[in-house]
Amino acid sequence: GAVVSQHPSRVICKSGTSVKIECRSLDFQATTMFWYRQFPKQSLMLMATSNEGSKATYEQGVEKDKFLINHASLTLSTLTVTSAHPEDSSFYICSATILGLAGAYTDTQYFGPGTRLTVL
Amino acid sequence: KQEVTQIPAALSVPEGENLVLNCSFTDSAIYNLQWFRQDPGKGLTSLLLIQSSQREQTSGRLNASLDKSSGRSTLYIAASQPGDSATYLCAVTGGSGGSNYKLTFGKGTLLTVNP
Repeated sequence: GAVVSQHPSRVICKSGTSVKIECRSLDFQATTMFWYRQFPKQSLMLMATSNEGSKATYEQGVEKDKFLINHASLTLSTLTVTSAHPEDSSFYICSATILGLAGAYTDTQYFGPGTRLTVL
Repeated sequence: KQEVTQIPAALSVPEGENLVLNCSFTDSAIYNLQWFRQDPGKGLTSLLLIQSSQREQTSGRLNASLDKSSGRSTLYIAASQPGDSATYLCAVTGGSGGSNYKLTFGKGTLLTVNP
């Protein structure tokens, strides 16, 4: 159980185009999903926290107009990189926490397999 | 601002050896600490989660300890196997002014276990 999927796993696009990445919790409901970015040999850095039905909370230094996040349901969050540029090339990973029976969430975040974005 | 440091950055050992990975964090007011495994180009797999009130957690050949007051954690891997080769990440949540869900990661330790 507690499987998170991401689609696509890899994407290559031209500079200036927009790319949408999906994050799905396959067998559980997730109140909160997180989006991370990882550059080579660097730490995963939290970009934003996404709650179902409300606006995402972005970390300092992350442009909300460039990285659009939509969390339309308890099982799906999307990240759209708008007008992508080569410096946006990175590994994007999402995670989700479980909404429990009593409405509380667990401490564990379950991570997706990641999406490798390459902008030419 | 919470900072997480992992030492060493890379480690290569022969199969069968016991090894220790180190993690330190600057703000001791954490909520919990997790150790993850990341295979090349893949997502993260949670290995162990230690709540701030706990001292250690064990799972199979893995044992993680937490010394919250000194801001340190260690991951002990017994009888290492080639399949253990991966990057091991340490992450904490909480800290002064931090949320219980925001994970702050270290850069990881790249472990290679040679047959």
